[in-house]
Amino acid sequence: AQSVTQPDIHITVSEGASLELRCNYSYGATPYLFWYVQSPGQGLQLLLKYFSGDTLVQGIKGFEAEFKRSQSSFNLRKPSVHWSDAAEYFCAVGTNAGNMLTFGGGTRLMVKP
Amino acid sequence: DTGVSQNPRHKITKRGQNVTFRCDPISEHNRLYWYRQTLGQGPEFLTYFQNEAQLEKSRLLSDRFSAERPKGSFSTLEIQRTEQGDSAMYLCASRSTGTGELFFGEGSRLTVL
Repeated sequence: AQSVTQPDIHITVSEGASLELRCNYSYGATPYLFWYVQSPGQGLQLLLKYFSGDTLVQGIKGFEAEFKRSQSSFNLRKPSVHWSDAAEYFCAVGTNAGNMLTFGGGTRLMVKP
Repeated sequence: DTGVSQNPRHKITKRGQNVTFRCDPISEHNRLYWYRQTLGQGPEFLTYFQNEAQLEKSRLLSDRFSAERPKGSFSTLEIQRTEQGDSAMYLCASRSTGTGELFFGEGSRLTVL
């Protein structure tokens, strides 16, 4: 069975600083990997996904993530954080191009002015 | 609005009562998913449908839970004899075959007193 670990429950960064959110997964086959963002009281919005090919994937809102098979990681990055990026971020691994996603516990991002 | 719609958004009920949530997916999407999210946790898979067929159910889905998608369009999730442990956000998502992205609704929050 697949699993996802997001080691950081809370992260606080200053506006304009760079950001990296960690994600480690466990899955026996080639994983389908996703990052979602959830603002308070809202549903989840897809930031980016990795299925195959280039291991550095670009997403919306200036986010990118890099798949590293040797480290079983799929970390999310952004070079300069905006106050509007404050939210909860979830990494997920799926089978069959996204069926039955397994989510990590999430990382809550706070942005200092 | 052409997104995933969930109703009601909030439901407060007394222990032992039955509740039903409805999800209207994006119209051309043939796959529909239910997830449960408790406070501070990532979403957990409950069940999914392809058209009207329920193809997978999590062990989290006890006998008190039942989901239907009778005409392959909207879906309902019923919880019978609610317990305080059922208090959570119930998320619905949909996607079309061949793409990986799940589109989530804003969720139905259940509070069991």
